Amino acid sequence: LAKTTQPISMDSYEGQEVNITCSHNNIATNDYITWYQQFPSQGPRFIIQGYKTKVTNEVASLFIPADRKSSTLSLPRVSLSDTAVYYCLVVRTSGSARQLTFGSGTQLTVLP
Amino acid sequence: SAVISQKPSRDICQRGTSLTIQCQVDSQVTMMFWYRQQPGQSLTLIATANQGSEATYESGFVIDKFPISRPNLTFSTLTVSNMSPEDSSIYLCSVGQGGTQYFGPGTRLLVL
Repeated sequence: LAKTTQPISMDSYEGQEVNITCSHNNIATNDYITWYQQFPSQGPRFIIQGYKTKVTNEVASLFIPADRKSSTLSLPRVSLSDTAVYYCLVVRTSGSARQLTFGSGTQLTVLP
Repeated sequence: SAVISQKPSRDICQRGTSLTIQCQVDSQVTMMFWYRQQPGQSLTLIATANQGSEATYESGFVIDKFPISRPNLTFSTLTVSNMSPEDSSIYLCSVGQGGTQYFGPGTRLLVL
């Protein structure tokens, strides 16, 4: 299983773009990269998932270089409500089995 | 996306007792997952539950301590047996759908 590494914490100010990078050096061919957001006392919420290059949705963008050994979650123009823990997850799909590895999580604090 | 509910949302229990946590999904899913999140920590996978077969436990988790039932494709239970204060955690149910993992709101357990 690919182990993931993220910064423990990051601070930002409202309106700024935030980039959180996750490294997953041992990622395998069948692995996907998924990011989750978690507020206190809530379950993780899916943000975005990708395999390679760039993926964008209404919430965030995910950049994955060609070697796929890292990925960067980009949050445009953050607000105070984006303060949360962000998890990088490597998901391996192998038939009906699914192996899951959570990163340590990055505590993002958005300041006014 | 899958909608997941858990019962109870929280509980305070005495050591030596057991608690059964219920997880209900609004659609049929093949695989359901149970996680534990200890205070200030990331999520750790306890086991994977497939309907009609025995649950598969991760290293460090055993069936006698965390028995799981999966009677149908929308429901599962996790029992935390013979509890000790070290079992105080948030327990989360998760399902995979369309290549994405969704999480329930969690059950916050405090063992005294």
